Amino acid sequence: RKEVEQDPGPFNVPEGATVAFNCTYSNSASQSFFWYRQDCRKEPKLLMSVYSSGNEDGRFTAQLNRASQYISLLIRDSKLSDSATYLCVVNLRAAGNKLTFGGGTRVLVKP
Amino acid sequence: DAGVIQSPRHEVTEMGQEVTLRCKPISGHDYLFWYRQTMMRGLELLIYFNNNVPIDDSGMPEDRFSAKMPNASFSTLKIQPSEPRDSAVYFCASSLRGGTKSNEQFFGPGTRLTVL
Repeated sequence: RKEVEQDPGPFNVPEGATVAFNCTYSNSASQSFFWYRQDCRKEPKLLMSVYSSGNEDGRFTAQLNRASQYISLLIRDSKLSDSATYLCVVNLRAAGNKLTFGGGTRVLVKP
Repeated sequence: DAGVIQSPRHEVTEMGQEVTLRCKPISGHDYLFWYRQTMMRGLELLIYFNNNVPIDDSGMPEDRFSAKMPNASFSTLKIQPSEPRDSAVYFCASSLRGGTKSNEQFFGPGTRLTVL
C-alpha cells in the first residue's frame, strides 16, 4: 500500500463550480500535512498547509481527519487558472524535513 | 531571490553515458532534496542532505546513482552509466528547518532527462 494515496482524476469542473477531493495516508505517526500545486511541466509549489482544525485560504479549504487518516481540499468558485495537479504531502514526526508526496489529483476547469 | 537553480534544464544522452545534474539551493537553506518524477511512479525522493551531509539515501535506485554536496551552495546528482529507464524529470528542492512555514520545500524548475 502506498504511503499517500490520491485519486488521479481528472476532475472535470465547470468554471465557477466547487470541487473537492481527498487523500489518504497510511502512517498514523504523520504529523504535518500540505497541499502542493503542480502546473503542467512546472515544479511543485506549496499551496497551503493543513491544520488540525481545518483552514481556509481564499477559495481553498483544507480539512484533516486524523481518525480516518485523510485530508481533503475543496476549491470554491473554480477558475480556469485552478487547472493543475494537486499533490497531497505528508511529513512523519520522525522524518525531520522529509516529505512524502502522493501521486496527485488532476483538476481541469473548463469554461 | 533567485530561487533554486538547476542545470541543465534539458539533457538528452545515449545509454551508457555519464549524466551530471546540478543544483544551487536557496541561500541560507540547510536542507537539500533530490527527487525524480515520472508518470508511472510520481514524485520520488532520491536523497536528501542536511548541512551538506547525506541523511537518507534510501531512495537512490542503485549504485549507478550518486549525489554529493561539497558545500552549502552546490549539489550534484550523477548517473553512470545512464539507462533509458532513467528518463524522467529530476527536481532539486531546498528548505529551512524552523521557517515560518515549517517544512516548506522550494523546488527548482527541474532537469528533463532523456536517455536514448
